[in-house]
Amino acid sequence: GENVEQHPSTLSVQEGDSAVIKCTYSDSASNYFPWYKQELGKRPQLIIDIRSNVGEKKDQRIAVTLNKTAKHFSLHITETQPEDSAVYFCAATYRTNAGKSTFGDGTTLTVKP
Amino acid sequence: ETGVTQSPTHLIKTRGQQVTLRCSSQSGHNTVSWYQQALGQGPQFIFQYYREEENGRGNFPPRFSGLQFPNYSSELNVNALELDDSALYLCASSLAASGTGEQYFGPGTRLTVT
Repeated sequence: GENVEQHPSTLSVQEGDSAVIKCTYSDSASNYFPWYKQELGKRPQLIIDIRSNVGEKKDQRIAVTLNKTAKHFSLHITETQPEDSAVYFCAATYRTNAGKSTFGDGTTLTVKP
Repeated sequence: ETGVTQSPTHLIKTRGQQVTLRCSSQSGHNTVSWYQQALGQGPQFIFQYYREEENGRGNFPPRFSGLQFPNYSSELNVNALELDDSALYLCASSLAASGTGEQYFGPGTRLTVT
């Protein structure tokens, strides 16, 4: 089955700095890679996703890159703000199997004002 | 559009007991997936229901079972509860025919087994 590894487990940055979270996956059949943000006591929320036919996707301050050959993908947050503080999860799935995702163990991002 | 809802919010059970958790899918979604999220970990896929049938299962024992109803809502049942079953249980709904892979999570049920 699929295995997803996520690094780092914790990340602390100063407000305004950039943050990068990296994930690797094992199953070359995976072709959909979402990122979720989970605030304390709340549900995971989809913040950005990328499909395997695309190398990069950007949405305002958030971007995701995918390297299919190396089987890794990364989340980039620029101009971080205190409200970006949360746990971020990457996941991998075969997109027609919507919902059967394998998640990483999460990265706790702290943005210091 | 109605989001994914779950009930109850919190639950405390004793080891050996049985529990039923409920999930209502987002309007228009026909697939429900259940995940277990232990403290400090990512969600782990338990199983998925599509058209009232189990459509894939993760590495969970048979004492974890489920149902999906004609209105696409779903139940997760856990028998013979163990202390390690203490976790946040999340359901997520999606539209199987979309082919997008997108799923939307409910707020979760926090289960504590003592």
